[in-house]
Amino acid sequence: AQTVTQSQPEMSVQEAETVTLSCTYDTSENNYYLFWYKQPPSRQMILVIRQEAYKQQNATENRFSVNFQKAAKSFSLKISDSQLGDTAMYFCAFMKHVSNFGNEKLTFGTGTRLTIIP
Amino acid sequence: DAGVIQSPRHEVTEMGQEVTLRCKPISGHDYLFWYRQTMMRGLELLIYFNNNVPIDDSGMPEDRFSAKMPNASFSTLKIQPSEPRDSAVYFCASSLAGPDGSGVVIQYFGAGTRLSVL
Repeated sequence: AQTVTQSQPEMSVQEAETVTLSCTYDTSENNYYLFWYKQPPSRQMILVIRQEAYKQQNATENRFSVNFQKAAKSFSLKISDSQLGDTAMYFCAFMKHVSNFGNEKLTFGTGTRLTIIP
Repeated sequence: DAGVIQSPRHEVTEMGQEVTLRCKPISGHDYLFWYRQTMMRGLELLIYFNNNVPIDDSGMPEDRFSAKMPNASFSTLKIQPSEPRDSAVYFCASSLAGPDGSGVVIQYFGAGTRLSVL
């Protein structure tokens, strides 16, 4: 079974600064997907960024980027130029590789509550 | 597309009552997932369907919980009888079968139903 660990229950950072959220995972799978989801106070789960394990290049989405270290089983999220709207819970999630026509469940970490301070 | 639609948004009921949560997945999606979020256990999968057929229900806590998907555009999660420990946020998510055009499998979440059992 897969496990996902987020060791930072809470973090805070000044607006416009950069913050990095940590995530480690444990799996015996060689191919898989990793995700960061954001959950603002509205409760909606919003996909922030995703990474395929077989791709060495780190994913980026505007101000969001990841540092994917497959050997270390680490998948951290960096938020640059943080904004007030980034205040939310952030969940790291793992999914086993799927075939062309398959799907699998997401295994989530416990989350990091991020507060952006004006 | 309107996204994954869940109803009701909030549900308050008394112990012993039957509760039915509803979900309309994104049109064209082949997979539907039910997750539960609690403070104690975080986000965990309850059950998921492929083409309206249940694939994995190992996360369903006990016989009081049942889920159905009578057609491709509707699913229900029923709790009968409800208990205070069932209080949680219940999410529905849907997904295509396999990776999207970017090569990654993505699950899209509804806004969740907050259930309170008194």
